[in-house]
Amino acid sequence: DVKVTQSSRYLVKRTGEKVFLECVQDMDHENMFWYRQDPGLGLRLIYFSYDVKMKEKGDIPEGYSVSREKKERFSLILESASTNQTSMYLCAACSAGSQYGNLFFGSGTQLSVL
Amino acid sequence: AQRVTQPEKLLSVFKGAPVELKCNYSYSGSPELFWYVQYSRQRLQLLLRHISRESIKGFTADLNKGETSFHLKKPFAQEEDSAMYYCALNSGGGADGLTFGKGTHLIIQP
Repeated sequence: DVKVTQSSRYLVKRTGEKVFLECVQDMDHENMFWYRQDPGLGLRLIYFSYDVKMKEKGDIPEGYSVSREKKERFSLILESASTNQTSMYLCAACSAGSQYGNLFFGSGTQLSVL
Repeated sequence: AQRVTQPEKLLSVFKGAPVELKCNYSYSGSPELFWYVQYSRQRLQLLLRHISRESIKGFTADLNKGETSFHLKKPFAQEEDSAMYYCALNSGGGADGLTFGKGTHLIIQP
């Protein structure tokens, strides 16, 4: 199985701080994703990447940026954290081709912005 | 734009009863549909995908293009089925990310 590891399980930050969420996958998958998960809102796609240095905006990219310098690592950056970015953040990876859509998720990072 | 609708936030059924989790989608092309499940304190994982046409843990789902639905069914619920279930749609054929519904919390009562 693909292992997707998110560096922090819980994170507490202050408003205005720059926040980095790190995600690493170990199976050489081309595609990586960042979602946020909120009760009653489900999962919403923030950004995704289909190759190194490539990134595409998802449904809610405002206030976020991403970086993919290496195939195995996909970072989510909150340029200036705000309280409405308090959420559970999920990273996922999947291969291309026929297995596209079979996402392997990390355990999530619960971010609290105070 | 594509959309996935799960009309029930919460569904509670008794053990042994049939379960049906509803999912409707909005997309004009040929979609690929998925069901994902998240058990308590576990990571989100794929349950099944419509192109596989297989039964996983007793669950099945049939894509109905006429009704634009992909309902998840199980004839006899078990307590270990209690979880959060998400329906998801892939419209891009490999480059757009999955669109998820808001999820249904299934509770199986003993």
